[in-house]
Amino acid sequence: KAGVTQTPRYLIKTRGQQVTLSCSPISGHRSVSWYQQTPGQGLQFLFEYFSETQRNKGNFPGRFSGRQFSNSRSEMNVSTLELGDSALYLCASMDNSYEQYFGPGTRLTVT
Amino acid sequence: SQQGEEDPQALSIQEGENATMNCSYKTSINNLQWYRQNSGRGLVHLILIRSNEREKHSGRLRVTLDTSKKSSSLLITASRAADTASYFCATDLQGGSEKLVFGKGMKLTVNP
Repeated sequence: KAGVTQTPRYLIKTRGQQVTLSCSPISGHRSVSWYQQTPGQGLQFLFEYFSETQRNKGNFPGRFSGRQFSNSRSEMNVSTLELGDSALYLCASMDNSYEQYFGPGTRLTVT
Repeated sequence: SQQGEEDPQALSIQEGENATMNCSYKTSINNLQWYRQNSGRGLVHLILIRSNEREKHSGRLRVTLDTSKKSSSLLITASRAADTASYFCATDLQGGSEKLVFGKGMKLTVNP
């Protein structure tokens, strides 16, 4: 099976802009989670989607949003970008085993 | 929020030696998982241990879980240079809203 794919892999944006990141889970996986990784805060959970519904949500401002499509692909959106949003954004898909399979991440730089 | 905390934060050993990493957490869990990350890339799942399990093996990896002490350890035996990476423990909390809560990670360097 193909692994989790994320696009784009690298992105440079300017403060105030918005960005959309995409994640394609492993075929058959219905759960997709998003994480933000920064040197200062480490890995932090953003949200989880299951069957197109947000099932869990981390402690991030409303500028961070996501959605999941009927084919389980997921997107996350960050509006009004801030310098502190520069991070590696990781997506993970999960089957019934509770083990999460991570994609390679999208490296977002906000200038 | 940070739940798991790995100890030590960094470890440097020679190839062939064993590496032990510890993880402590604060609240009740459903399971605890260990992940590896190579230099800013995606995480690789290593092993999952459920709250009713005490020990689990996978190849050169051995994980223990002590729920009374809220701690876990990851042992890598006969380490290789390719084991050089950051290692994270992650907890799946009981009744938690966050899917997995990760520790800050531990950097392991295996010198050839």
